[in-house]
Amino acid sequence: DIHLTQSPSFLSASVGDRVTITCRASLGISSYLGWYQQKPGKAPKVLVYPASTLQSGVPSRFSGSGSGTEFTLTISSLQPEDSATYYCQQLHSYPRTFGQGTKVEIK
Amino acid sequence: EVQLVESGGGLVKPGGSLRLSCAASGFTFNNAWMSWVRQAPGKGLEWVGRIKSKIDGGTADYAAPVKGRFTISRDDSKNTLDLQMNSLKAEDTAVYYCLTDMSDYWGQGTLVTVSS
Repeated sequence: DIHLTQSPSFLSASVGDRVTITCRASLGISSYLGWYQQKPGKAPKVLVYPASTLQSGVPSRFSGSGSGTEFTLTISSLQPEDSATYYCQQLHSYPRTFGQGTKVEIK
Repeated sequence: EVQLVESGGGLVKPGGSLRLSCAASGFTFNNAWMSWVRQAPGKGLEWVGRIKSKIDGGTADYAAPVKGRFTISRDDSKNTLDLQMNSLKAEDTAVYYCLTDMSDYWGQGTLVTVSS
């Protein structure tokens, strides 16, 4: 199975800050990586897939990059509505696996 | 508009069975590979399994913790996806999400609680 290691597990930042979340895969997965945002009590919402393609309707302050084993999700200017937990997922092979999540808190 | 609506969650005793259903609309369901993902209370996301479209063989694959206990099936005539869960354990307690295999569309989830 492909293991995904996400870091950090938690981050606290101020409105307007640039925030970066990293996802490392145990094997190369090309660009088959997605990023999801989940708010409490809601289903995850896809932000980026494949690794650097922003999904329709997602604000341009979000961006994804990377390929192979190293990936990042960047929020260029953190907004209050970005308070959520973010997950990466590899869609290269089965079983699909997720990172453990990064909880983003607004200071 | 793509919609995935899960139903069938509830409280079940350890060792019991439960069948979840997902009603799909807004896309060509019979061409779609579909998956289930679960999330235990306060925990992260865990992939449960996937079923291919019938034209691609219709076979299902499962995560190790549920293999042999859970069965995914589909009814393309009704645009529904099912998850039959047998021999349930406390650790199966979670919100279960139905989603397209490429994770672009998710249902709202249904809660399964396994407790005596």
